[in-house]
Amino acid sequence: DIQLTQSPSFLSASVGDRVTITCRASQDIDSYLAWYQQNPGKAPKLLIYGASTLQSGVPSRFSGSGSGTEFTLTISSLQPEDFATYYCQQVISYPSITFGQGTRLEFK
Amino acid sequence: EVQLVESGGGLVQPGGSLRLSCAASGFTFSNDDMHWVRLLPGRGLEWVSAVATAGDTYYLASVKGRFTISRDDAKNSLFLQMHGLTAGDTAVYFCVREVAGYFHHWGQGALVTVAS
Repeated sequence: DIQLTQSPSFLSASVGDRVTITCRASQDIDSYLAWYQQNPGKAPKLLIYGASTLQSGVPSRFSGSGSGTEFTLTISSLQPEDFATYYCQQVISYPSITFGQGTRLEFK
Repeated sequence: EVQLVESGGGLVQPGGSLRLSCAASGFTFSNDDMHWVRLLPGRGLEWVSAVATAGDTYYLASVKGRFTISRDDAKNSLFLQMHGLTAGDTAVYFCVREVAGYFHHWGQGALVTVAS
């Protein structure tokens, strides 16, 4: 199975900060990577797919980059609604899809 | 508007069974592969099972032989029959619509608690 490792697991930041979350794959996954945001008690929301394509309706402060084994999700200027948990996901080994362990973004 | 509404969650004893249902609307259900994904307490998201439009089914290794995914395209419904439940299956289970390989739409989730 392809393993995804996110760093950091926990991140404290303030409104207006620029934050970056990294996702590393245990083998080459080309650009078959997505990012999701989840708030407590809510369904996950697709933010980025194909490593860098912004899902319709997602604010442009979110961006994704990378290919192969290293990927990043960047939020250019944190807003109050962005404090949530973020997951990366690989789909190259469909249907054996795997997620990263999550990064919890907390208010400092 | 795409809607996915799960039902059938609840408290079940270890070794018990439960059947989750998902009612879909707002898209042509028969055209899309569908999945179940679970959120494990303190451990994050885990893909559980998928059913393709042609009916092919796929499972996470730890649930294979215990869980059965199925779909009824005439009723726009997705199901997950779960047997031999253990504490490790305790989670919120999400019904998910896949579009071009990615999980574009999720239901609100159904809580399954396995405990005596």
